[in-house]
Amino acid sequence: DGGITQSPKYLFRKEGQNVTLSCEQNLNHDAMYWYRQDPGQGLRLIYYSQIVNDFQKGDIAEGYSVSREKKESFPLTVTSAQKNPTAFYLCASSRTGFSGANVLTFGAGSRLTVL
Amino acid sequence: DAKTTQPPSMDCAEGRAANLPCNHSTISGNEYVYWYRQIHSQGPQYIIHGLKNNETNEMASLIITEDRKSSTLILPHATLRDTAVYYCIVRVLTSGTYKYIFGTGTRLKVLA
Repeated sequence: DGGITQSPKYLFRKEGQNVTLSCEQNLNHDAMYWYRQDPGQGLRLIYYSQIVNDFQKGDIAEGYSVSREKKESFPLTVTSAQKNPTAFYLCASSRTGFSGANVLTFGAGSRLTVL
Repeated sequence: DAKTTQPPSMDCAEGRAANLPCNHSTISGNEYVYWYRQIHSQGPQYIIHGLKNNETNEMASLIITEDRKSSTLILPHATLRDTAVYYCIVRVLTSGTYKYIFGTGTRLKVLA
């Protein structure tokens, strides 16, 4: 079945460490997105990418970095510069183009806890 | 960017229709409205989307006002499994790329 795979599901890190969250999709979607969700809050956009080797900052990009070397993959690195990284991270993908049918498909999420 | 405003929480009796409102008064003419729901600690699930016309699918109906400044998601016969957070989202085009802007959502509780 086609879908989005995020790993790891749970991750613990010490302060000052960089961590990378994996996101892989086999939906043949061009666009991929990373969102952050804090407890009881909505989703906030971190980074997004419409094509390979190109990506844009979202609303809360500081302290995060991404790469898009392959269409299927959009890893997110949470750097030590991110002051409050403990959160639930969601990866999503979609087709591009005006059609409203290009809906977002989400992965199951990765929960990062900084000790 | 267009933003959405939703009530933080609502209750609905099981078997009744759940009507969830969303305000998107700054929406542009070519920006779609999407509805998703999220059950605790899972990825959001797509429900329905629309541009100008009302829409219906097997899960829900979407009513969009003529001026497009607001919309209502209708779950016709709510069940306990519909208890979730519902997000109204606007898709915007910025510098040639699309992004989806989430609001804070409405926490719907279906009561037995």
